[in-house]
Amino acid sequence: EAGVAQSPRYKIIEKRQSVAFWCNPISGHATLYWYQQILGQGPKLLIQFQNNGVVDDSQLPKDRFSAERLKGVDSTLKIQPAKLEDSAVYLCASSLASPRDNEQFFGPGTRLTVL
Amino acid sequence: LAKTTQPISMDSYEGQEVNITCSHNNIATNDYITWYQQFPSQGPRFIIQGYKTKVTNEVASLFIPADRKSSTLSLPRVSLSDTAVYYCLVGEGYGGSQGNLIFGKGTKLSVKP
Repeated sequence: EAGVAQSPRYKIIEKRQSVAFWCNPISGHATLYWYQQILGQGPKLLIQFQNNGVVDDSQLPKDRFSAERLKGVDSTLKIQPAKLEDSAVYLCASSLASPRDNEQFFGPGTRLTVL
Repeated sequence: LAKTTQPISMDSYEGQEVNITCSHNNIATNDYITWYQQFPSQGPRFIIQGYKTKVTNEVASLFIPADRKSSTLSLPRVSLSDTAVYYCLVGEGYGGSQGNLIFGKGTKLSVKP
């Protein structure tokens, strides 16, 4: 079974530039998550989708971050404009929507460096 | 969601059993306890989840006392490849509508030869 795919794996940009990350979840997984992981810390949830609807985006900095999951499958996370403190690994995860099985499967992440 | 506290780091040697304890004094009735493992440059990976007493799978055991205010992840006979960060999380598991996970800083386990 293919895992969660993310691209690019690495990205270096200058502050105030824009950047976008892509995620393809495991086939059949209705729930998709984006996390931000700063070096030395645990992942922090940014946004959760159930199919193509947003379940939780309370920790998403909406003035600069946006995410979409138009067809309930792939998702993109965008940062515009980027700040130095956005340097982190951005992880995508997916899970079944089944109430008895919500184990999250994570992708390898995209490492963003903002100069 | 209940806050968890776990040691920042632990050292062990190959072949030993490692027990990582996590405290979660404010755990709610509907909360489950879940452990994830993360290797450098990889996303976290689910290890085990439990609600009470003891849960065992092919890689670990999870011990949860009756008051559920703490839990212990037990890794039998660790190897060098078990060197990783281990996260204890508490939140709605089975039956949870959101399944949100709040990660702390985790426990960095270093296994030495």
